[in-house]
Amino acid sequence: SQQGEEDPQALSIQEGENATMNCSYKTSINNLQWYRQNSGRGLVHLILIRSNEREKHSGRLRVTLDTSKKSSSLLITASRAADTASYFCATDSISGNTPLVFGKGTRLSVIA
Amino acid sequence: KAGVTQTPRYLIKTRGQQVTLSCSPISGHRSVSWYQQTPGQGLQFLFEYFSETQRNKGNFPGRFSGRQFSNSRSEMNVSTLELGDSALYLCASSLVPGRAYEQYFGPGTRLTVT
Repeated sequence: SQQGEEDPQALSIQEGENATMNCSYKTSINNLQWYRQNSGRGLVHLILIRSNEREKHSGRLRVTLDTSKKSSSLLITASRAADTASYFCATDSISGNTPLVFGKGTRLSVIA
Repeated sequence: KAGVTQTPRYLIKTRGQQVTLSCSPISGHRSVSWYQQTPGQGLQFLFEYFSETQRNKGNFPGRFSGRQFSNSRSEMNVSTLELGDSALYLCASSLVPGRAYEQYFGPGTRLTVT
């Protein structure tokens, strides 16, 4: 079963605009990660945020985590056509030795 | 450092056949995980191996099996293929097991069952 659920399912923006994707999850977590997948390829790790962190930056990426709302957001600033991809959040439950669970992803299209 | 490699990249099989997929992790990585990705179900966890031992198994039927060798390379096998097994199979490696570590994914094997 999916732990994380991304929202929206699809997003289309113009180059230069900011893109925001949200992830909600159900159970308490240790960490939350964001991954990017170009069409039909493997996933690429973007950023990991721990449950005791609220915000993290990496280049044009900004991730926030609100454990009280069980949600996270990924902001891509000044988007480029090359950012066109699907973005997934992945969570690990705080309870037990459980595998990383991925959401179904947000498909981002950046139009040049 | 070479990335995660998966072979073959594409595969077409017929129902009832079996298939073996291979994954070579990044050098030095000892943990390998497998995922099945379909448009309907998204990314679903299959197995995780560390030091030749299966640490975790997802909710898949017994037709799906895997193993890891002493050099950390891993294989997964699907027997008696069904149409619903058509998917992108992704392998990921990490230094050690544990969710605090990022996973490095291979390009995947696209399996089509006809």
